[in-house]
Amino acid sequence: EAQVTQNPRYLITVTGKKLTVTCSQNMNHEYMSWYRQDPGLGLRQIYYSMNVEVTDKGDVPEGYKVSRKEKRNFPLILESPSPNQTSLYFCASSPHSTGIGGYTFGSGTRLTVV
Amino acid sequence: EDQVTQSPEALRLQEGESSSLNCSYTVSGLRGLFWYRQDPGKGPEFLFTLYSAGEEKEKERLKATLTKKESFLHITAPKPEDSATYLCAVQAVWLTGNQFYFGTGTSLTVIP
Repeated sequence: EAQVTQNPRYLITVTGKKLTVTCSQNMNHEYMSWYRQDPGLGLRQIYYSMNVEVTDKGDVPEGYKVSRKEKRNFPLILESPSPNQTSLYFCASSPHSTGIGGYTFGSGTRLTVV
Repeated sequence: EDQVTQSPEALRLQEGESSSLNCSYTVSGLRGLFWYRQDPGKGPEFLFTLYSAGEEKEKERLKATLTKKESFLHITAPKPEDSATYLCAVQAVWLTGNQFYFGTGTSLTVIP
């Protein structure tokens, strides 16, 4: 089945403890992106990648890191999480390197930082 | 400032009562406008992409249209299973990259 897989689905952590949310797609898509979704603010783009080893900042990149060493994987790293990073996170991919044509989204990761 | 605004925030319809959702945008370098459906606890599901003013796309009871400043998602004779949050997004492109902007969505409830 063609899909974007995120892990974990739920995560509770403490302030300052480094964490990684994994994202993997099996559709050979060029473009991958991370979003956070907060009530009243909608989906906001954190980082995106148009190809392997090519990443760029979205609207809200502060406090996050990403890497794209392989085409299928695009992990999101929070080096020192803070409570304002409590949110619902989505990874998404698109077949075209520009992202055009619509995303396939993962099921989401609900992160709570205490 | 680039912006996407959806209205109404919430909409309750009787089964069979047709209506429209609105997405207005102010972005420069528009590449495309997207509609997604999101069910509670799930990731958004892609519905349509529109690229130029005058374009229309249809899928079952849904029809999306695009003008230079806004898009409409028309829902004809909705059923309870159409209940979901509908999200609009635009892609802006410039020389150094591109970015997607999402609206906050319209929560649709269809009452049997």
